[in-house]
Amino acid sequence: NAGVTQTPKFQVLKTGQSMTLQCAQDMNHEYMSWYRQDPGMGLRLIHYSVGAGITDQGEVPNGYNVSRSTTEDFPLRLLSAAPSQTSVYFCASRGSGRSFFGPGTRLTVL
Amino acid sequence: GESVGLHLPTLSVQEGDNSIINCAYSNSASDYFIWYKQESGKGPQFIIDIRSNMDKRQGQRVTVLLNKTVKHLSLQIAATQPGDSAVYFCAELQGAQKLVFGQGTRLTINP
Repeated sequence: NAGVTQTPKFQVLKTGQSMTLQCAQDMNHEYMSWYRQDPGMGLRLIHYSVGAGITDQGEVPNGYNVSRSTTEDFPLRLLSAAPSQTSVYFCASRGSGRSFFGPGTRLTVL
Repeated sequence: GESVGLHLPTLSVQEGDNSIINCAYSNSASDYFIWYKQESGKGPQFIIDIRSNMDKRQGQRVTVLLNKTVKHLSLQIAATQPGDSAVYFCAELQGAQKLVFGQGTRLTINP
């Protein structure tokens, strides 16, 4: 049981580039979410999904897209990266009353 | 808007002492709170949770206290060890699934 996995661990992008952060969970959880964590701040919710085919916006959704075609996967897409998106990104899934977080992706946008 | 916040950004304690990390919340309708521990380079890990129908909940070396009158939450760690060094977050569950995190407190253990 791998829990929540994220790839890549590190990524450097140039302004305007696009990329997808991958997230997968093997716990059959319906609820999944993406957070970003900036220095001196807590985690802020970007997007979330309550099940396959259903997504919704969180606190800071601008500049990010998500989709949920399967229960297991919840990718986060940056269509045109900006320096303000430099952050650490965490994916989480929730089940049995608890949230489980992935190890994070550290993204730098130059 | 309403949010979850922490009183202090850093806390240093001697190894073996007890640690107390505080958190204030503003939404009086909140009924579920969680404490997370985040070690350097890792994602947050669940420590303990508490529902609003409780004042206190204990785990292994950790206790969470909830004071609904003043909307205050605390995490107590007994006999602090070097492995307790981390950033601790309180989080509030809004609705059925959305977690809202506080800013975090960095706990440093002095030998």
